[in-house]
Amino acid sequence: KNQVEQSPQSLIILEGKNCTLQCNYTVSPFSNLRWYKQDTGRGPVSLTIMTFSENTKSNGRYTATLDADTKQSSLHITASQLSDSASYICVVSAKGNAGKSTFGDGTTLTVKP
Amino acid sequence: NAGVTQTPKFQVLKTGQSMTLQCAQDMNHEYMSWYRQDPGMGLRLIHYSVGAGITDQGEVPNGYNVSRSTTEDFPLRLLSAAPSQTSVYFCASSQARGGKNIQYFGAGTRLSVL
Repeated sequence: KNQVEQSPQSLIILEGKNCTLQCNYTVSPFSNLRWYKQDTGRGPVSLTIMTFSENTKSNGRYTATLDADTKQSSLHITASQLSDSASYICVVSAKGNAGKSTFGDGTTLTVKP
Repeated sequence: NAGVTQTPKFQVLKTGQSMTLQCAQDMNHEYMSWYRQDPGMGLRLIHYSVGAGITDQGEVPNGYNVSRSTTEDFPLRLLSAAPSQTSVYFCASSQARGGKNIQYFGAGTRLSVL
């Protein structure tokens, strides 16, 4: 069964600090991996999309990495801001099967002043 | 562009009632989908459509119907609401399914079934 596991479940950091969120997956055959940011009470917003051949993708202070061999991805947030407080969701899509996507449960990040 | 618009934002139903959650997008996207998000769980796909007149079931389709008569609209119908359908529902659209197509999500409809 295709699975996406995210860790930690929740994280509290101080404003200005860096943090790294993890995503491990068993989805196969792999097509692409996406990171979304979901603010409380809002829909998810796409941060990055990576295919098999891409090791890293940046979007401002957000940098995602992908190791397709170990089936792991990380999302690194640099110089955190209060507005980074949100849930971060990892989504992995499979080839074939009409591109079925498996969503992780998300990591809830709280940035405190 | 408004993006993906969902209505209503909040709804309370009694068990057995039916209702339609509306979803509209103005980006001329072919692919549209409905998800539900329960506390502590990842989004789960209910139904999806790859174009007008074409719909298919996702992971958790029971109790829900969809239709896609136009490119813009993709309503989700609850036939006979049950407490287990209490959830937050998100509609999403993208140019096509999969690949590097970015999915755009609506703000969600928060549904409570009593």
